[in-house]
Amino acid sequence: DAGITQSPRHKVTETGTPVTLRCHQTENHRYMYWYRQDPGHGLRLIHYSYGVKDTDKGEVSDGYSVSRSKTEDFLLTLESATSSQTSVYFCAISDPGQGTYEQYFGPGTRLTVT
Amino acid sequence: GIQVEQSPPDLILQEGANSTLRCNFSDSVNNLQWFHQNPWGQLINLFYIPSGTKQNGRLSATTVATERYSLLYISSSQTTDSGVYFCAVGLNTGGFKTIFGAGTRLFVKA
Repeated sequence: DAGITQSPRHKVTETGTPVTLRCHQTENHRYMYWYRQDPGHGLRLIHYSYGVKDTDKGEVSDGYSVSRSKTEDFLLTLESATSSQTSVYFCAISDPGQGTYEQYFGPGTRLTVT
Repeated sequence: GIQVEQSPPDLILQEGANSTLRCNFSDSVNNLQWFHQNPWGQLINLFYIPSGTKQNGRLSATTVATERYSLLYISSSQTTDSGVYFCAVGLNTGGFKTIFGAGTRLFVKA
């Protein structure tokens, strides 16, 4: 299994509070991604990173920001959490430099905003 | 934007039966993956298959990129095959923007 961990694994927070989720990889993969999974929607891309300090938006980026100061860590921040951001968040990694865009996923973080 | 449609949305099988899951996509893609999400929520890589055919045990997959579809075959299904199967495609504009289908929920009865 790819070495991807996410923390925390579960979190309950109140509306309006800031929240940061962490994704950590030990594979030295260049690309990292944050997705959210909601019933009926599959997974949707929030933001992705193609290198240290290089990030771009996905299809559902409003209300989220990301940072990547080291190859191994990709942080997702909800500046002011809302109930609509209650979801399961998955991190993924890939390394196109190896000739494939195959993505590997972490275990997920279940976030509840009350 | 690109549309990814999976069918059927739900499938119930008796253990030992075979099935075919389909993924249609509306535009050219440069990569395609199949995942299995088990009942504990873990996403498991099944196939990375932008084109052609691959087999892994009881599972096989075929992607016909020119006709914009991919098929996942499950033979001799087992209860452990239960879960949700996702197709995900990567767009030709860079390859790292990935769009997931809504999934096929499979339940295999003993």
